[in-house]
Amino acid sequence: DGGITQSPKYLFRKEGQNVTLSCEQNLNHDAMYWYRQDPGQGLRLIYYSHIVNDFQKGDIAEGYSVSREKKESFPLTVTSAQKNPTAFYLCASSTGQGAADTQYFGPGTRLTVL
Amino acid sequence: SQQGEEDPQALSIQEGENATMNCSYKTSINNLQWYRQNSGRGLVHLILIRSNEREKHSGRLRVTLDTSKKSSSLLITASRAADTASYFCATGDDYKLSFGAGTTVTVRA
Repeated sequence: DGGITQSPKYLFRKEGQNVTLSCEQNLNHDAMYWYRQDPGQGLRLIYYSHIVNDFQKGDIAEGYSVSREKKESFPLTVTSAQKNPTAFYLCASSTGQGAADTQYFGPGTRLTVL
Repeated sequence: SQQGEEDPQALSIQEGENATMNCSYKTSINNLQWYRQNSGRGLVHLILIRSNEREKHSGRLRVTLDTSKKSSSLLITASRAADTASYFCATGDDYKLSFGAGTTVTVRA
């Protein structure tokens, strides 16, 4: 089955810890994206990557880091510098044609800071 | 930055009724997309309308686009309980999309 997967589904973090959220796709898509969603709100872009070994900051990149070493994988690290990390995190991918492009989303990871 | 803004924020309708929600945006667009999100899940793409199109249909969905007013509407006809979800419009530049805060639709049986 082709698709985009995220793991884990739920993640609990103690304050001061870094955690890494996994995102994998087998759609052969060039572009991948990370969004954050807070309750009752829309999606805010954290980072995006249109090609392997290259990525760009989105609107709320502070306190987050990413890597894109493989086309299939785009892990997101939530660092201790992120002041309010409790949120629902969504990963997406697309063929990379830009605004004409449909994005395919994973099921999300819900991160809670204890 | 969120360019699209949906209206209303929430909508409750009876099964079988139609649901209409609107999206306004601020700058010129190449296209506008609508997505659905079931509670606690990822988003699913519904429909894309290009700037040179005025109306588009997909099953029970009808989308209109008025570039002079910088607005779009999504109509769901003959709603079903399974249509209960949040609906988002998205616009973007060449590299990324911006999503509005969404309209939460509840379909009552």
